[in-house]
Amino acid sequence: GAVVSQHPSRVICKSGTSVKIECRSLDFQATTMFWYRQFPKQSLMLMATSNEGSKATYEQGVEKDKFLINHASLTLSTLTVTSAHPEDSSFYICSASTLGTGASGYTFGSGTRLTVV
Amino acid sequence: EDQVTQSPEALRLQEGESSSLNCSYTVSGLRGLFWYRQDPGKGPEFLFTLYSAGEEKEKERLKATLTKKESFLHITAPKPEDSATYLCAVQELGDDKIIFGKGTRLHILP
Repeated sequence: GAVVSQHPSRVICKSGTSVKIECRSLDFQATTMFWYRQFPKQSLMLMATSNEGSKATYEQGVEKDKFLINHASLTLSTLTVTSAHPEDSSFYICSASTLGTGASGYTFGSGTRLTVV
Repeated sequence: EDQVTQSPEALRLQEGESSSLNCSYTVSGLRGLFWYRQDPGKGPEFLFTLYSAGEEKEKERLKATLTKKESFLHITAPKPEDSATYLCAVQELGDDKIIFGKGTRLHILP
């Protein structure tokens, strides 16, 4: 149980275009999801906290107009990277809290490798 | 100042050579400390949650312990398949988010 599905697993896009990444909780409801970015050999940096039915909370230094987050249902959160540039190339990972589901901790998706060319 | 500091950054061990990874943290009130394993190109895989000093949890060759200032992940008689990056994360009281350390890259040589 407590599976988080993230799609796509990898995407290549042209500079200036937008890319949407989906994060779904498959067998539980996630009122809160989190989006992280990870550069090679670095740790996960929290970008934003996504709350169902309300605006996301962004960490300091993260541009909310560039990284649009929508959490329209209890099982789906999306991250849209708008007007992507090569410096946005990274590994993006979502997670959801499984507390209260019988599992413990936070479950992570498998990540999305974004390459902007 | 980092809230979560992991050491060492990287560790190479021979198969069967036991060792410990360290995670020191500075938060005003700890709600939970988490250990994850991450393989290259994958999302983190949950290992343990610890909530209070003195708590210990075990899973196969791994044992996690917690004090008021740090946590250790002990690995006993590791195998090559234990090679991965091990991440520690903490959650403060009253907060939903968890903050990660930079991880320890563990490489077990056959």
